[in-house]
Amino acid sequence: DIQMTQSPSSLSASVGDSVTITCRASQNIDSWLAWYQQKPGKVPKLLVYKASSLHSGVPSRFSGSGSGTEFTLTISNLQPDDFATYFCHQYNSYSGTFGQGTKVDFK
Amino acid sequence: QVQLVQSGAEVKTPGSSVKVSCKASGGAFSNYAISWVRQAPGQGLEWVGRLIPVLGKSIYAQSLQGRVAITADESTRTVYMELSGLRFEDTAIYYCARFGYMDVWGEGTTVTVSS
Repeated sequence: DIQMTQSPSSLSASVGDSVTITCRASQNIDSWLAWYQQKPGKVPKLLVYKASSLHSGVPSRFSGSGSGTEFTLTISNLQPDDFATYFCHQYNSYSGTFGQGTKVDFK
Repeated sequence: QVQLVQSGAEVKTPGSSVKVSCKASGGAFSNYAISWVRQAPGQGLEWVGRLIPVLGKSIYAQSLQGRVAITADESTRTVYMELSGLRFEDTAIYYCARFGYMDVWGEGTTVTVSS
């Protein structure tokens, strides 16, 4: 299976900050990368697919970039609703793997 | 509006099997690649597998290979995930979701493995 290494595992930030989460794939996955947000006790929500395409209804302060093996999720102007755990996920034709998750909490 | 409705919570004993269903409403079911994901208590997300209708097959996580099977019944628009040889560590919430990039999710099914 392809391994996904996500960093950092947690970060503390304030409202208005810009934060970046990184995911590294153990082999080339082109742009088959998605990002999800999950709050405690809730179902994960899709934010970004195909590395940089914003899912319908997701605020434009979320953005994804990268291809091949290096990917980032950036949240600009962090809002109170953004404090949650974020997961990257590779979904190529033959497998799927999640990163370990990044918990974003209040500084 | 596509919706995925999953079956109810299950309590199973070690070594037994569980079959979780995911019924789709809305949209073109025959085109759906339904994915399954699980989340153990307090842990991250783990990809279980995905049904690929155009290929007529399913793909699975290596860690579950041989114990998991994902099948579909087009007549009832339902996808099933069966996990056999249950272990305590299979205790988790099991989610189904549409497509490889999972844009629509079911509400989750809690599977508890307990003696």
